[in-house]
Amino acid sequence: NAGVTQTPKFRILKIGQSMTLQCTQDMNHNYMYWYRQDPGMGLKLIYYSVGAGITDKGEVPNGYNVSRSTTEDFPLRLELAAPSQTSVYFCASSYSRERGTYEQYFGPGTRLTVT
Amino acid sequence: QKEVEQDPGPLSVPEGAIVSLNCTYSNSAFQYFMWYRQYSRKGPELLMYTYSSGNKEDGRFTAQVDKSSKYISLFIRDSQPSDSATYLCAMNSGGYQKVTFGIGTKLQVIP
Repeated sequence: NAGVTQTPKFRILKIGQSMTLQCTQDMNHNYMYWYRQDPGMGLKLIYYSVGAGITDKGEVPNGYNVSRSTTEDFPLRLELAAPSQTSVYFCASSYSRERGTYEQYFGPGTRLTVT
Repeated sequence: QKEVEQDPGPLSVPEGAIVSLNCTYSNSAFQYFMWYRQYSRKGPELLMYTYSSGNKEDGRFTAQVDKSSKYISLFIRDSQPSDSATYLCAMNSGGYQKVTFGIGTKLQVIP
């Protein structure tokens, strides 16, 4: 199993450009997440999905969009990139137990700079 | 007040030392507790997972939860330079609630 994979690893965007961060998992997990990690700020949840066709906002969704057409893929779209979106982005997935879902498995991250 | 408080460090220890990493939290509904290790420029990887209060041991690692004090710890015995990383605590209240992460403690083990 490859686990959670993310592409690209690095990207530099100009202000106002758009891009899609790709995330794929091969563990058949129904829950998937997007986080951003900034120095001293910890992981902030952007969006999450509980299954194909179902997505919901996290703590910091502004400026981002997501879709979930398959169990495996959960792309994150940045429209009109701004310097405040300079960050490291992590995708994660988790599976459901009978009492809920908690431990998450993370991808290697995408390091994004907006200038 | 943040839901989860974690000292960012850095914490420097000599090789072979016992390391204690801690988090406090304010939400009494939290009952699932996790520790993640994150190497520089990598994604977090799950180290330990515990439910409710008590201890859990896995090799050189011991996770401890004291719900009465809202305090969790991760102990690393016989620390190695390869343990140098940032350690994030994480917790949630069960069901399908979101996981809340600490900001991470940076640990450096000096050979």
